[in-house]
Amino acid sequence: EVQLVESGGGLVQPGGSLRLSCAASGFNFRSYWMHWVRQAPGKGLVWVSRINSDGSTIIYADSVKGRCTTSRDNAKNTLYLQMNSLRAEDTAVYYCASSGDTGYWGQGTLVTVSS
Amino acid sequence: QAVVTQEPSLTVSPGGTVTLTCGSSTGAVTSGHYPYWFQQKPGQAPRTLIYDTSNKHSWTPARFSGSLLGGKAALTLSGAQPEDEADYYCFLSYNGARVFGGGTKLTVL
Repeated sequence: EVQLVESGGGLVQPGGSLRLSCAASGFNFRSYWMHWVRQAPGKGLVWVSRINSDGSTIIYADSVKGRCTTSRDNAKNTLYLQMNSLRAEDTAVYYCASSGDTGYWGQGTLVTVSS
Repeated sequence: QAVVTQEPSLTVSPGGTVTLTCGSSTGAVTSGHYPYWFQQKPGQAPRTLIYDTSNKHSWTPARFSGSLLGGKAALTLSGAQPEDEADYYCFLSYNGARVFGGGTKLTVL
């Protein structure tokens, strides 16, 4: 069974940091590009970042550039999103998703930025 | 940053056909934008229906199809079912970066 399981969300103060993880199983994780996508409460989907299969190319949305770092550990089948200098507008459910002919999504992890 | 536009809402009758579109502020949408389509129901994670314009996943119902139409990406639903009521998002690639459309709320009524 294919699974993408996000973790690491929670309540953080403005200016704080969080590291999200996405554990993959059931498919050849190391062969696929991966995305982070977020969704603020009651709002639409917003693309955050994309990393290629070996982690050598990473692209970020302008809204998180310089504050977020996406990485992956193919030996551990895990994707990461390090988020720094968090703002209230970063409050959202964060999803990881696989690209191409896989198309899998996790269930998301909620990040709440509030004092 | 490019803006991706979708119809905010559409209504289709059960058994009917509807086409959702996905436009780009930069001009015509082409296969080089690698259009994707996603379905999201309330309280659920999104689900990928279509990738690279017209390719389906194993779980994509046959009644959904993707194409390019009139300079836009299009998602056509033929033979709508009540369970197709959901939000639908498209997603385009711009030199590696991706941009989502604002989503279309599809009502089956």
